[in-house]
Amino acid sequence: AIQLTQSPSSLSGSVGDRVTITCRASQDISSALAWYQQKPGKAPKFLIYDASSLESGVPSRFSGSGSGTDFTLTISSLQPEDFATYYCQQFNDYPLTFGGGTRVEIK
Amino acid sequence: QMQLQESGPGLVKPSETLSLTCTVSGASITTNSYNWGWIRQPPGKGLEWIGNIYYSGKTYYNPSLKSRVTISVDTANNQFSLKLRSVSAADTAVYFCAPNPPGYCTGGTCYSGGWLDPWGQGILVTVSS
Repeated sequence: AIQLTQSPSSLSGSVGDRVTITCRASQDISSALAWYQQKPGKAPKFLIYDASSLESGVPSRFSGSGSGTDFTLTISSLQPEDFATYYCQQFNDYPLTFGGGTRVEIK
Repeated sequence: QMQLQESGPGLVKPSETLSLTCTVSGASITTNSYNWGWIRQPPGKGLEWIGNIYYSGKTYYNPSLKSRVTISVDTANNQFSLKLRSVSAADTAVYFCAPNPPGYCTGGTCYSGGWLDPWGQGILVTVSS
């Protein structure tokens, strides 16, 4: 199975900060990567597909980049509603796998 | 707008079978546009994909659970179901259902699966005697 390693596992930020989360795949997955946001007690919310395509309705402060094995999710200006846990997911091959998550906390 | 809703018992005894149903509204479960998937999340931990079923009945399972899992489709009720046998406390989790696109090819590269969207609200299943 393809392993996804996210870093950092948690980070603290202030409103307005630029935040970057990385996701590294154990093998080349081309652009077969999605990102999700999850708030406590809620289901994950889909943000980005194909590594860099923003899902409709997702604020433009979110962006994704990368291909092959190294990917990033960037929040250009952290907003209060962005404090959550973020997960990457690969769909290049079965089994579908997720990264371990990155918790974004208020500094 | 597609919506999914999980249902089933919230408490299952060890060694028994966990059975959950996902009811789909706003889309036909017989569409060829989606696989129908199950994902779980133990309390305080990350996400684990359990498996997918395509409208044709073709299934894909996580190898870590394959020996205990069955996913099936009920076209009459626009539902799909999960059965997980011989459960233990390690199977205590919130269980989600979500559709995902079947594999596709783009720019000369082919992917086996897709992203998961939208998700049901989830159902907590506790394994305890």
